[in-house]
Amino acid sequence: DQQVKQNSPSLSVQEGRISILNCDYTNSMFDYFLWYKKYPAEGPTFLISISSIKDKNEDGRFTVFLNKSAKHLSLHIVPSQPGDSAVYFCAAKDDSNYQLIWGAGTKLIIKP
Amino acid sequence: KAGVTQTPRYLIKTRGQQVTLSCSPISGHRSVSWYQQTPGQGLQFLFEYFSETQRNKGNFPGRFSGRQFSNSRSEMNVSTLELGDSALYLCASSGASYGYTFGSGTRLTVV
Repeated sequence: DQQVKQNSPSLSVQEGRISILNCDYTNSMFDYFLWYKKYPAEGPTFLISISSIKDKNEDGRFTVFLNKSAKHLSLHIVPSQPGDSAVYFCAAKDDSNYQLIWGAGTKLIIKP
Repeated sequence: KAGVTQTPRYLIKTRGQQVTLSCSPISGHRSVSWYQQTPGQGLQFLFEYFSETQRNKGNFPGRFSGRQFSNSRSEMNVSTLELGDSALYLCASSGASYGYTFGSGTRLTVV
């Protein structure tokens, strides 16, 4: 049973436009959420995170929104740039164990 | 400070063989987690070690095992390799915060 779901395997966005990556979760015990970015043949790198006590966190072009009632979070990238083309993973952590639960990833392609 | 180092970067093994992968975490980090990434499957959690103890384990068969040394370096072993074990194996280290820092991974190909 997937506790963290990224239902879009891929997303194609025009350069300069907004990219919106979505993530849904089922476990209400999750209290911290992270987004990672991964290029081919490299390990994922941390992008941005959000605590469950907040509904928004912004860092430059990247903003993460959390809707706890809907158990949904999204990552907005504005404006999208060619270097943003990568696989984006959503991950969630609950306080009862030390394991990060990962989504399957969404491949973002930025078109020129 | 140095990042997470995984060795080797690439490995080719034959079915039935065994393999050991190594991970050196960021200095001061006591938690090391291992993940398997295959195309379309995202990151599958293998296990996590903290202060030489396995703190968490994913749903992988017993052929997959690991250990952590007193200097926090960790090794992962896969015995009786199968073709389906071909994957990118990633190691991540974590300190006091929730952030995980990943290594570049070991690409294992089983032929």
